[in-house]
Amino acid sequence: AQSVTQLDSHVSVSEGTPVLLRCNYSSSYSPSLFWYVQHPNKGLQLLLKYTSAATLVKGINGFEAEFKKSETSFHLTKPSAHMSDAAEYFCVVSGNYGGSQGNLIFGKGTKLSVKP
Amino acid sequence: EPEVTQTPSHQVTQMGQEVILRCVPISNHLYFYWYRQILGQKVEFLVSFYNNEISEKSEIFDDQFSVERPDGSNFTLKIRSTKLEDSAMYFCASSATGASGNTIYFGEGSWLTVV
Repeated sequence: AQSVTQLDSHVSVSEGTPVLLRCNYSSSYSPSLFWYVQHPNKGLQLLLKYTSAATLVKGINGFEAEFKKSETSFHLTKPSAHMSDAAEYFCVVSGNYGGSQGNLIFGKGTKLSVKP
Repeated sequence: EPEVTQTPSHQVTQMGQEVILRCVPISNHLYFYWYRQILGQKVEFLVSFYNNEISEKSEIFDDQFSVERPDGSNFTLKIRSTKLEDSAMYFCASSATGASGNTIYFGEGSWLTVV
């Protein structure tokens, strides 16, 4: 069975400093992995996804994530935080092998706070 | 950018009442989903829908729940007799295909409070 663990429920950084949101996954096959972001009172927006192509994936708003099979990790990073990055971030793994991938499995989320 | 829209944004209902949550998926998408998030818990998959039938459902999606695509644009989730534990944020989502790795687009959610 697939699962996702987000290691931090809350991360606080200062504006202009790097962001690291940690995610470990468990999967019995090569997974598809995603990071979604949810700003207050907004829907879930896809930041980036890994689907067995390049292991370093670049997303929107300067975020990127690296798939490390040996560490079963898919940590999200950004070199320099902006105030608008304050939101909740979800690491997600596709639940099903092969065809249907609608059964996404979400982590508990990491709330990112950015201090001025 | 096209988006998934949901109504209502917030609904309060009495226990035992029927609730219908509505969604308009992105227009050229063929796969539709409902997820829910109980306050303080993970976002959980409920059901996926393709070609006018359920393609997959979770253990949460019991006989109290049903989905329907009543016309060419709407996708609804019905809870037949609401329970207190149905209080949650319900997210509708859609995707162009069902292939692994395809992007799933989510709406802003409908917050259901059962009292």
